[in-house]
Amino acid sequence: AQTVTQSQPEMSVQEAETVTLSCTYDTSESDYYLFWYKQPPSRQMILVIRQEAYKQQNATENRFSVNFQKAAKSFSLKISDSQLGDAAMYFCALSTGANSKLTFGKGITLSVRP
Amino acid sequence: EPEVTQTPSHQVTQMGQEVILRCVPISNHLYFYWYRQILGQKVEFLVSFYNNEISEKSEIFDDQFSVERPDGSNFTLKIRSTKLEDSAMYFCASSRRTGSPLHFGNGTRLTVT
Repeated sequence: AQTVTQSQPEMSVQEAETVTLSCTYDTSESDYYLFWYKQPPSRQMILVIRQEAYKQQNATENRFSVNFQKAAKSFSLKISDSQLGDAAMYFCALSTGANSKLTFGKGITLSVRP
Repeated sequence: EPEVTQTPSHQVTQMGQEVILRCVPISNHLYFYWYRQILGQKVEFLVSFYNNEISEKSEIFDDQFSVERPDGSNFTLKIRSTKLEDSAMYFCASSRRTGSPLHFGNGTRLTVT
């Protein structure tokens, strides 16, 4: 079975500062993918970033980057130059198997202070 | 950019009634999913669908639930006899292939009274 753990229920960051959201996971699969999704108050699920487990290079998307530590089964999200619009719930998710079913963590609520 | 669309955005129903939640996945996607999120809680997998059949389902997806792709574009989730605890946000998602990101619809908020 796959598990995803987000142990911090909430975090706060000052606008323009950097924040890191933690995530650990467990799977016996050798081939898997990791994602961060953002859920603003509108409840949409928006893809932030994707990492293939076979790639050593950390994924980057503009102000968002990940620190993927495969041996430690850790997948943290760094948000640089935080903006007010970054305030949302963030979910870490793991995709395994032919179905690419996503297993989600409990999420973390990020608030951004002006 | 193509997107997954879900209707209705909000459905209110009485306990014991049947509801059908509708989704139109992205047209060239092959994998379809339903997830649910009880307010403020984690997003839970219900079922995945590929090649016109269920490929995987969770413990939540019991005999009260069914899915269908009736016409090659729509993907529906039916709850036969709703319970109070079925109140949640239901998300449809689709992806093009294994490992591709899932694209989510905006969700249907189901309220069972």
